[in-house]
Amino acid sequence: GAVVSQHPSWVICKSGTSVKIECRSLDFQATTMFWYRQFPKQSLMLMATSNEGSKATYEQGVEKDKFLINHASLTLSTLTVTSAHPEDSSFYICSARTRTGTDSPLHFGNGTRLTVT
Amino acid sequence: AQSVTQLGSHVSVSEGALVLLRCNYSSSVPPYLFWYVQYPNQGLQLLLKYTTGATLVKGINGFEAEFKKSETSFHLTKPSAHMSDAAEYFCAVSRAGNTGKLIFGQGTTLQVKP
Repeated sequence: GAVVSQHPSWVICKSGTSVKIECRSLDFQATTMFWYRQFPKQSLMLMATSNEGSKATYEQGVEKDKFLINHASLTLSTLTVTSAHPEDSSFYICSARTRTGTDSPLHFGNGTRLTVT
Repeated sequence: AQSVTQLGSHVSVSEGALVLLRCNYSSSVPPYLFWYVQYPNQGLQLLLKYTTGATLVKGINGFEAEFKKSETSFHLTKPSAHMSDAAEYFCAVSRAGNTGKLIFGQGTTLQVKP
């Protein structure tokens, strides 16, 4: 149980185009999902908290107009990287809680490797 | 504010040897502490967590960690390393009541030599 699926697992796009990454909770409802970014050989940095039916909460320094997050249902959150540039190339990982309680652990998707050429 | 420091970005052990990955934290409130493992090009898998109660926590794959408040540490250990343990390990801290906002350490790459 508690499976989080991300799609695509990798994507290559040209500079200036937009890319959408999906994060789905397959066997549970997730009122809250989280998006992280990981640069090569580095740790994960929280980008934003995605709440079903409301606007995402972005961490300081994250451009909300560039990284559009939509959480339209209890099982799906999407991250759209708009007008992507090479510096946006990174590993993006989503996570979700299995229960509505804020103390429940997170389960992570397998990540999306984005390469912008 | 909270932060995590993992001592040693790279640890190498022989198969069958003790694994010790070090993690120290800083937190102005009682912390929740986690260890995650990441295999190449994959997401993170929870190994174990400490919230409250018993300070020695056991996780999956034979790993365990001990919360030592006096030392602000949460080191990860395994008595005998397997080749399959080779991966990246992350220590993380969060506040009670907000486990979604994880603050991660820099990560430690564990190499297991035959």
